[in-house]
Amino acid sequence: EIVLTQSPDTLSLSPGERATLSCRASQTVRGNYLAWYQQKPGQAPRLLIYGASTRATAIPDRFSGSGSGTDFTLTISSLEPEDFAVYYCQQYFNSVTFGGGSKVAI
Amino acid sequence: QVRLVQSGADVRKPGSSVKVSCKPSGGTFNNFAINWVRQAPGQGLEWMGGIIPTLGLPKYAQKFQGRITITADYSTSTAYLNLSSLTSEDTAVYYCARGNALPDYFGYWGQGTLVTVSS
Repeated sequence: EIVLTQSPDTLSLSPGERATLSCRASQTVRGNYLAWYQQKPGQAPRLLIYGASTRATAIPDRFSGSGSGTDFTLTISSLEPEDFAVYYCQQYFNSVTFGGGSKVAI
Repeated sequence: QVRLVQSGADVRKPGSSVKVSCKPSGGTFNNFAINWVRQAPGQGLEWMGGIIPTLGLPKYAQKFQGRITITADYSTSTAYLNLSSLTSEDTAVYYCARGNALPDYFGYWGQGTLVTVSS
């Protein structure tokens, strides 16, 4: 099983600041089969990024994904008030596993 | 807009089983995969398994082998999650989520179904 470790657990920032979230895999995620999701309280997760760097439909371009192999990053270039949420990475190269999540807090 | 509509909240006793349903609002599965992901209170996301209804062969996470069954009724375009031998640790929100393959990322999610296991 591929274990995904996200860091930091919590990132405290202000609107307008840049957020950088990390997702590290215990084994190579071949094909860059890695996705990122945003989840707000009481809501289902929302797909942001798939294939490590492709934005999903209607996702603003302030969200970007990068990385390959075992190290992946989600960057939010300038935080909007609605971006304060929990973010999860997911690999789908070998079955499916999720990271533990990173909270972006004010 | 694709919507996945799930059955309502349920309360079950320890040792019993629960069955949760998921139906695409458009009424057809096409060739997509339906997956089940759960989230315990205050915890992260956990993939349980999935099925491509047109193929009918489910895949399960190792953790749930032996007490999970995922099925799909092609005639009603409804997918089901059945989880048996419930304990309090199975109290969670259960989501269905659609992928293009199995495994895959999930572009569409159901609204979630809260299952509470309590005596």
